[in-house]
Amino acid sequence: DQQVKQNSPSLSVQEGRISILNCDYTNSMFDYFLWYKKYPAEGPTFLISISSIKDKNEDGRFTVFLNKSAKHLSLHIVPSQPGDSAVYFCAARPSGGSNYKLTFGKGTLLTVNP
Amino acid sequence: AAGVIQSPRHLIKEKRETATLKCYPIPRHDTVYWYQQGPGQDPQFLISFYEKMQSDKGSIPDRFSAQQFSDYHSELNMSSLELGDSALYFCASSLDYRRNTEAFFGQGTRLTVV
Repeated sequence: DQQVKQNSPSLSVQEGRISILNCDYTNSMFDYFLWYKKYPAEGPTFLISISSIKDKNEDGRFTVFLNKSAKHLSLHIVPSQPGDSAVYFCAARPSGGSNYKLTFGKGTLLTVNP
Repeated sequence: AAGVIQSPRHLIKEKRETATLKCYPIPRHDTVYWYQQGPGQDPQFLISFYEKMQSDKGSIPDRFSAQQFSDYHSELNMSSLELGDSALYFCASSLDYRRNTEAFFGQGTRLTVV
């Protein structure tokens, strides 16, 4: 049962254009969401997060949008750069209580072409 | 800035042997998480600790055990190793799981069981 779904295993974008990575979740208890970037054989690197009380969070070239009613979030990268090429993982967790482990999606491989 | 340190980076063990993976969290972080990522898989949560107490448990085999020490570093002990245990093992740390704070990952330990 995949509670966090990234339905696009890969995405290819031209340098300078916008990259949009999508993520859907099924667990309505999730209310904190994170995006991680991962290069091969390295640990995931935190990019940006959003709490369910917000619908948008922006940090430089990275913006995350959350549509709680649709249980959908997306990561926008603009402008995309070749160095952004990596696997992007969406992660989610419920807040409070003792069940706060991150649940990851399967990842989307982003390739930014020069 | 100090990051999460994992050792060793690479480990080769034979079947039925024992392995110990170490994780040193970011200073002042009180929460440690362990994840396992098999080839082509998303990171799967194993276990976590808050203030030296186990706080959550995921799909961790009974052959594995872990603990967090007084200096907040954590060790994952794996016994009776099987070929299927070959994976990247990530440790992450965060500050006070009860707040919406991001988890930062180490570079990972690549375990190969032969």
